[in-house]
Amino acid sequence: GAGVSQSPSNKVTEKGKDVELRCDPISGHTALYWYRQRLGQGLEFLIYFQGNSAPDKSGLPSDRFSAERTGESVSTLTIQRTQQEDSAVYLCASSLDTYGYTFGSGTRLTVV
Amino acid sequence: AQTVTQSQPEMSVQEAETVTLSCTYDTSESDYYLFWYKQPPSRQMILVIRQEAYKQQNATENRFSVNFQKAAKSFSLKISDSQLGDAAMYFCAYRREGGSEKLVFGKGTKLTVNP
Repeated sequence: GAGVSQSPSNKVTEKGKDVELRCDPISGHTALYWYRQRLGQGLEFLIYFQGNSAPDKSGLPSDRFSAERTGESVSTLTIQRTQQEDSAVYLCASSLDTYGYTFGSGTRLTVV
Repeated sequence: AQTVTQSQPEMSVQEAETVTLSCTYDTSESDYYLFWYKQPPSRQMILVIRQEAYKQQNATENRFSVNFQKAAKSFSLKISDSQLGDAAMYFCAYRREGGSEKLVFGKGTKLTVNP
């Protein structure tokens, strides 16, 4: 597609439930990133995929968080046993080169 | 680890005036890239301007320009002739050369433009 697409746009879930967030990158973009943005804060790096290389998972805050990407296509971020502190906007970005980061509009996750 | 600091949580400017947003960063690398992103209420991050550390010349994009001081590790954004549509959160970001290409962000500055 023309841009990075994220779904759902908003998600409300009960504490303890699992959630899956989806990111559709720009076609042909080899790199894909997930970031978390808590209210009033900057973006925290979560995970980075580059082609078929092993992902950089150094930003994942706990083992409740995981992400997958099949080849150079869709990625899903899964949060298990959600907690209230997981409430945030989750942003995805893709890029082809050093400069061309394109962000999606994010998924606002609210854990109640 | 690299860090990015934006010391101004909020700034305001009159329409048509000029405003400067501050950013400092900490790194031991010599080659890296710096960015300013704009985030309107739609949440989408929009690239405003970027600077390669090896370039001495300051980047400019229309009404947006930077003052890059490598020795001081400072990277401020100047917005000239401010417009109502410039109102947004602005984030400074750093990316090192090579290795993981993740961006490291500051906490942002909320810019208000007064008519």
